Amino acid sequence: AQSVTQLGSHVSVSEGALVLLRCNYSSSVPPYLFWYVQYPNQGLQLLLKYTSAATLVKGINGFEAEFKKSETSFHLTKPSAHMSDAAEYFCAVSSYSSASKIIFGSGTRLSIRP
Amino acid sequence: DAGVTQSPTHLIKTRGQHVTLRCSPISGHKSVSWYQQVLGQGPQFIFQYYEKEERGRGNFPDRFSARQFPNYSSELNVNALLLGDSALYLCASSERPGQGNGSPLHFGNGTRLTVT
Repeated sequence: AQSVTQLGSHVSVSEGALVLLRCNYSSSVPPYLFWYVQYPNQGLQLLLKYTSAATLVKGINGFEAEFKKSETSFHLTKPSAHMSDAAEYFCAVSSYSSASKIIFGSGTRLSIRP
Repeated sequence: DAGVTQSPTHLIKTRGQHVTLRCSPISGHKSVSWYQQVLGQGPQFIFQYYEKEERGRGNFPDRFSARQFPNYSSELNVNALLLGDSALYLCASSERPGQGNGSPLHFGNGTRLTVT
């Protein structure tokens, strides 16, 4: 069985500060890992994905994430937060054997302080 | 190009009624997935269809059903609605079922279902 745990349902940072959103996964097979962002009243947009290539993955809007197998983690970072980054962020896991579905975490709401 | 479109955007139903939600995938996408997102939680997988066949089913009761049409659009049906079915229902399309080989999910904006 696969699962993801997002640590912290709400994270607040100042504009210009480092953004760090934490995600740990559980998977008995090599995972595919994703970060999605959801703005109010919208669907989910893919930020980045890990599919067993480079462990450091760069995504859109300046976000990146690093796959650490030893720590079963896939944390999302951005060096400098912008007000427009305020949204809900979801970590998700899938695998080649269960490619028909993605398991999402419960989400982390990111707030940006001026 | 148009993204994934869902209709209606909002819907209010009474307990015991049934509902049909519709989804049109991105042109060229043959796979459609449905997710339920309850307020404050992450999306939960309901179904995936590819080439009009069911390819995956989540842990939902038989009151939930879906189908995919020859033009790859899809419907999600829910019978005997319960208060707990109130949620945002998201449709996502992809070129093919796999998630890890360059075929990511593209989500619509969802249908907000309220059951009273």
